[in-house]
Amino acid sequence: EDQVTQSPEALRLQEGESSSLNCSYTVSGLRGLFWYRQDPGKGPEFLFTLYSAGEEKEKERLKATLTKKESFLHITAPKPEDSATYLCAVRSYSNTGNQFYFGTGTSLTVIP
Amino acid sequence: NAGVTQTPKFQVLKTGQSMTLQCAQDMNHEYMSWYRQDPGMGLRLIHYSVGAGITDQGEVPNGYNVSRSTTEDFPLRLLSAAPSQTSVYFCASSYNVPGTEAFFGQGTRLTVV
Repeated sequence: EDQVTQSPEALRLQEGESSSLNCSYTVSGLRGLFWYRQDPGKGPEFLFTLYSAGEEKEKERLKATLTKKESFLHITAPKPEDSATYLCAVRSYSNTGNQFYFGTGTSLTVIP
Repeated sequence: NAGVTQTPKFQVLKTGQSMTLQCAQDMNHEYMSWYRQDPGMGLRLIHYSVGAGITDQGEVPNGYNVSRSTTEDFPLRLLSAAPSQTSVYFCASSYNVPGTEAFFGQGTRLTVV
């Protein structure tokens, strides 16, 4: 069964304290892994797409990496404005067509 | 440029009532999708469309209908609301297949009593 699992569920960091969020997946026919940021009461905001193992993407203090079984979102020297829920999603293709699965997210709080 | 606009933002329905959640995008995207977000469940794909006149089911389609008569609009219809449909609903559009670099609306918080 296709599955996306994110860990930890919640993470509290001091400003400047770097860390990583994990997204592990078990899907057949991976067609892409996506990272989103969601602020309270708002829709998700797209961050990155990764398609193949070894691929990396960077944006400001965020860096996403992908292996064959998991993805990491590395946050370097976070600031309070990085506080949000970070969602991971995968798109797969099988005999039932395109499917798209989100993880339950990691709630990040950065303390000044 | 408004992006993806959802209406209403909040709605309370009685069990058995029907309603339509509206979604419009002004980015000329071919792909549009509807998701529901429930605590501890993550976002789940309800229905999606790959262009005007073409729709397909996602992970949790039961109890919902969609149609796509124009590129801009993708309404979601609840035929007979049930308490299990209490959720936050998000509409999204994208250049490519559902999920890829998607732009999301602000959401509709629906409560069915």
